[in-house]
Amino acid sequence: DTAVSQTPKYLVTQMGNDKSIKCEQNLGHDTMYWYKQDSKKFLKIMFSYNNKELIINETVPNRFSPKSPDKAHLNLHINSLELGDSAVYFCASSQVGTSVEQFFGPGTRLTVL
Amino acid sequence: KQEVTQIPAALSVPEGENLVLNCSFTDSAIYNLQWFRQDPGKGLTSLLLIQSSQREQTSGRLNASLDKSSGRSTLYIAASQPGDSATYLCAVETGTASKLTFGTGTRLQVTL
Repeated sequence: DTAVSQTPKYLVTQMGNDKSIKCEQNLGHDTMYWYKQDSKKFLKIMFSYNNKELIINETVPNRFSPKSPDKAHLNLHINSLELGDSAVYFCASSQVGTSVEQFFGPGTRLTVL
Repeated sequence: KQEVTQIPAALSVPEGENLVLNCSFTDSAIYNLQWFRQDPGKGLTSLLLIQSSQREQTSGRLNASLDKSSGRSTLYIAASQPGDSATYLCAVETGTASKLTFGTGTRLQVTL
C-alpha cells in the first residue's frame, strides 16, 4: 500500500565504504527525486529524474550516483563514504511538470563512522 | 538564488489555541508554495499546495495564504491539538523540473 518506499530505513557504515539506498514508488509518477536532510534538519534537493532521465543535479559530489532502472525506481549509490555524508536521505515522486504535489518516502538515516 | 526562511524556529502553545506559522522567500518568481508536515523519524506529508495564481488554500483546520509579491506565506492552524505537534516545512517551486527549495522549518509543540 505504501506509495513511496525506501530501503533500508537505517544504514550504519564505515568511512570509505560504498553503499546503496533503494527507492520505489507505486503511484505511476514519471518524476522521482533524492533529497538530503542534514543534522540541522535542512532539506535540500540532490537529483531529479524524469522517466529515467536525469533532470536536476545540484552540484552533488561525483561519489553520489543515482540510477533509475525504470520510472518506478530511483536508487542512490554512494562511493567512498565520508563523515559528512551522514544525514537522512529522502526519496520523492510526482507527476511530470510544474506545480505538482511531491510525495515523500519515509527516509533513510545514514550514519558514517 | 532562492532562499526560504521560516519564523519562528520553534513554538509551544496550549491545546485549543489558534496559531500562525510564517514563511518568507526571496525570489517571487515561483510556480507554487507547499506546506509539509514532518513527524520525528518520519517522511514529509504534504498539507497544502498553493499555486502562484492563488491567494489561499484550506484543508480542514488548516489555511495557507500566499502573497507572492511580498514573498510571504502563512499557515494558520485553528483549534490546535496535541496531534498537530510536528515540524512544519514550507517549500517553493522555482525554475524548471519541479525544483523545491525548503525552509528551515518550525517545530510546533501543542501541550495539554
